[in-house]
Amino acid sequence: DTGVSQDPRHKITKRGQNVTFRCDPISEHNRLYWYRQTLGQGPEFLTYFQNEAQLEKSRLLSDRFSAERPKGSFSTLEIQRTEQGDSAMYLCASTTDKTQETQYFGPGTRLLVL
Amino acid sequence: AQSVTQLGSHVSVSEGALVLLRCNYSSSVPPYLFWYVQYPNQGLQLLLKYTSAATLVKGINGFEAEFKKSETSFHLTKPSAHMSDAAEYFCAVSRVTGANSKLTFGKGITLSVRP
Repeated sequence: DTGVSQDPRHKITKRGQNVTFRCDPISEHNRLYWYRQTLGQGPEFLTYFQNEAQLEKSRLLSDRFSAERPKGSFSTLEIQRTEQGDSAMYLCASTTDKTQETQYFGPGTRLLVL
Repeated sequence: AQSVTQLGSHVSVSEGALVLLRCNYSSSVPPYLFWYVQYPNQGLQLLLKYTSAATLVKGINGFEAEFKKSETSFHLTKPSAHMSDAAEYFCAVSRVTGANSKLTFGKGITLSVRP
């Protein structure tokens, strides 16, 4: 396994711009999670996919956020009209139905909104 | 609902000293418990996990943790700290049952190791 990968690793954008992040889970991992980690805090759950179905979204996920996993493999997280409060590390994790208690995390995408 | 409390944001120990990082949890259902480590600008690496088997769990890099239901605790220990242990440590809880085994994390503890 090559591990969970995320792209880009860093993103700087201006307030009001749209950004999109990509997560490639470990091959054959059907469960995929997005978390957000702000400075000095632990990661917070954003959303969860089982295969291509988005089964749960946190209240943290405002209308400006949208996530997809169209073919049940990679996932994208888009933030529209970014705000300074969106600055954070966005983490992706994957697992399988059999090992669902163990999530494998990617390196994260650090977003800075100016 | 589930939650994790990690008291204190920073722990400093001398190299070779005992490491003790505290974690208390709250869960209305039987929990799975985890400790993750995060190095600067990196993702999370699993140190160890409790999944309702042995209450004393051994992990990587010499760390271990003990699940104490009566105290709702899952403290992380290491007998002898190494400089490379300096990092941020997160305790997390998830549900044993349910389709979505999302993790709920504590705020984290930064471990510093003095030479």
